[in-house]
Amino acid sequence: AQKITQTQPGMFVQEKEAVTLDCTYDTSDQSYGLFWYKQPSSGEMIFLIYQGSYDEQNATEGRYSLNFQKARKSANLVISASQLGDSAMYFCAMRGVTGGFKTIFGAGTRLFVKA
Amino acid sequence: KAGVTQTPRYLIKTRGQQVTLSCSPISGHRSVSWYQQTPGQGLQFLFEYFSETQRNKGNFPGRFSGRQFSNSRSEMNVSTLELGDSALYLCASSLSRGGDYTDTQYFGPGTRLTVL
Repeated sequence: AQKITQTQPGMFVQEKEAVTLDCTYDTSDQSYGLFWYKQPSSGEMIFLIYQGSYDEQNATEGRYSLNFQKARKSANLVISASQLGDSAMYFCAMRGVTGGFKTIFGAGTRLFVKA
Repeated sequence: KAGVTQTPRYLIKTRGQQVTLSCSPISGHRSVSWYQQTPGQGLQFLFEYFSETQRNKGNFPGRFSGRQFSNSRSEMNVSTLELGDSALYLCASSLSRGGDYTDTQYFGPGTRLTVL
């Protein structure tokens, strides 16, 4: 079975500093996709970044980068130069053959950015 | 391009009633998935529709059902509401080329259902 684990229920970061949100996954698939989403208090899930299992380089999207370590089955999200608007829940997700390409989500990490 | 829209945004119902939620996907997207989000259970997959057919189903009772129309718009229905059905219901759409692990889902703002 596939599983996503986010071990940090909550994290604090100072404005303008970088922060890493941890995500480990478990799958027997060779081909899979990893995703990060942001959910502000308004409730909408916002897609941030994608990493494919065969991608050799770490994905980057603006201030977001994904630290992908395939052998360790980890896909940590790095947010550089944190802003107050980054305060939100962050979810790691995975999609693969097992489970019929259903997207499964971790429990999330709540990030608080301090001024 | 317009994003995923969901109506209504907020809903209050009483136990035993039924409810229908609507989702309009991003133009050109053919897959629509539904999720239930609660503080205790997190994000749980309900079902996915593709070309008017249910392609995937989560572990929810038969009170939860859905359908997709030819224009890819989708509805989900919950009959005989229970207190535990109070949740944020999220709809997501994707291009879905079929069996594609790179398929990115884009979410709507959600419908917050309260059952009294």
